[in-house]
Amino acid sequence: EAQVTQNPRYLITVTGKKLTVTCSQNMNHEYMSWYRQDPGLGLRQIYYSMNVEVTDKGDVPEGYKVSRKEKRNFPLILESPSPNQTSLYFCASSPSAPTGGEQYFGPGTRLTVT
Amino acid sequence: AQKVTQAQTEISVVEKEDVTLDCVYETRDTTYYLFWYKQPPSGELVFLIRRNSFDEQNEISGRYSWNFQKSTSSFNFTITASQVVDSAVYFCAKTDSNYQLIWGAGTKLIIKP
Repeated sequence: EAQVTQNPRYLITVTGKKLTVTCSQNMNHEYMSWYRQDPGLGLRQIYYSMNVEVTDKGDVPEGYKVSRKEKRNFPLILESPSPNQTSLYFCASSPSAPTGGEQYFGPGTRLTVT
Repeated sequence: AQKVTQAQTEISVVEKEDVTLDCVYETRDTTYYLFWYKQPPSGELVFLIRRNSFDEQNEISGRYSWNFQKSTSSFNFTITASQVVDSAVYFCAKTDSNYQLIWGAGTKLIIKP
């Protein structure tokens, strides 16, 4: 089944404790992206990747890191999480840049930082 | 900065009513793409439609229709004869000059039986 998977789905952590949210897609897509969703703000892009080893900042990259060593994986790293990073996170992938059409989204990761 | 505005935070209608969700955007680009996504209560994001800026034809898909008006920078979404299963948050989005998506804040649609 074609899908984007994210792990974990739910995470409660404390300020400053490094964490990684994994994202994997099995559709051989070139493009991957991370968004955060906050009430009243819609989705905001954190980082995106047009291809392996190519990553770029989105609108809200501060406090996040990503890597794209393989086409299928695009992990999101929070080196020192803070309470303002409490949010719902979505990973997405598509064959090419969003202009090309539908993005396929993972199920979301709900992160709480206390 | 470019912006997508969904002024209706929440809309509540009774089943079988028609409902229109508004989307207005700002842009300096001549070429761009517009999208609608649905987020049902289960939380996943579901693609509904993509439109490019050169195609102003309205589109109909079953009970769903979209009205793109470049002159007013709007891309409104209408659900005809709404059903309870249409209850969801609906997002409008637009590509920016880097071909990335800018999202509206979303409109929560409640369909009462």
